[in-house]
Amino acid sequence: AQSVTQPDIHITVSEGASLELRCNYSYGATPYLFWYVQSPGQGLQLLLKYFSGDTLVQGIKGFEAEFKRSQSSFNLRKPSVHWSDAAEYFCAVGAGTGNQFYFGTGTSLTVIP
Amino acid sequence: DSGVTQTPKHLITATGQRVTLRCSPRSGDLSVYWYQQSLDQGLQFLIQYYNGEERAKGNILERFSAQQFPDLHSELNLSSLELGDSALYFCASSAGGTGIRDTQYFGPGTRLTVL
Repeated sequence: AQSVTQPDIHITVSEGASLELRCNYSYGATPYLFWYVQSPGQGLQLLLKYFSGDTLVQGIKGFEAEFKRSQSSFNLRKPSVHWSDAAEYFCAVGAGTGNQFYFGTGTSLTVIP
Repeated sequence: DSGVTQTPKHLITATGQRVTLRCSPRSGDLSVYWYQQSLDQGLQFLIQYYNGEERAKGNILERFSAQQFPDLHSELNLSSLELGDSALYFCASSAGGTGIRDTQYFGPGTRLTVL
């Protein structure tokens, strides 16, 4: 069965510091992978997605993610965090059949000045 | 603003009652998806409609049902409500019907509280 694990429930970083949010997935075939961000009181916004090709994916707001098949990971990174990046981040995998998404439990990011 | 609208924003009701949540997709989008976000279950996919027809089904309870109308808006009906149904319900829309490959645009959600 498909599943997504985000090992870090909560992360705190200083503004200007680099960020890496971890995501591990379980899926038999080549997965479709996504990162979404949810700001307080808002819906989810797509940051980036990976379907195939280059394993380093660029997204919006300066985020990038790297697909590593050998590690079943799709970690999200940002070289320099801004206070406005404080939000909840969700990793998701799309199943090849059924058009279903499976979301991780989310990582809450706090940015301190 | 994603262009997806959901009404109402908040809904408070009692156990055993029935409610209807409404979603209007982005202009031109044919697919509508419903998700439930709760503290204990996280974010779960419920169901997808594409151009009026059910396209995919997730962890949707039998007490819940949805439909998509000819004008493409969608309604999620929740009946015989239980305390555990309290959650944030999101609607998303996408242009196509493939679901996974389409970018989904999420609405702001409807917060349902069952007392």
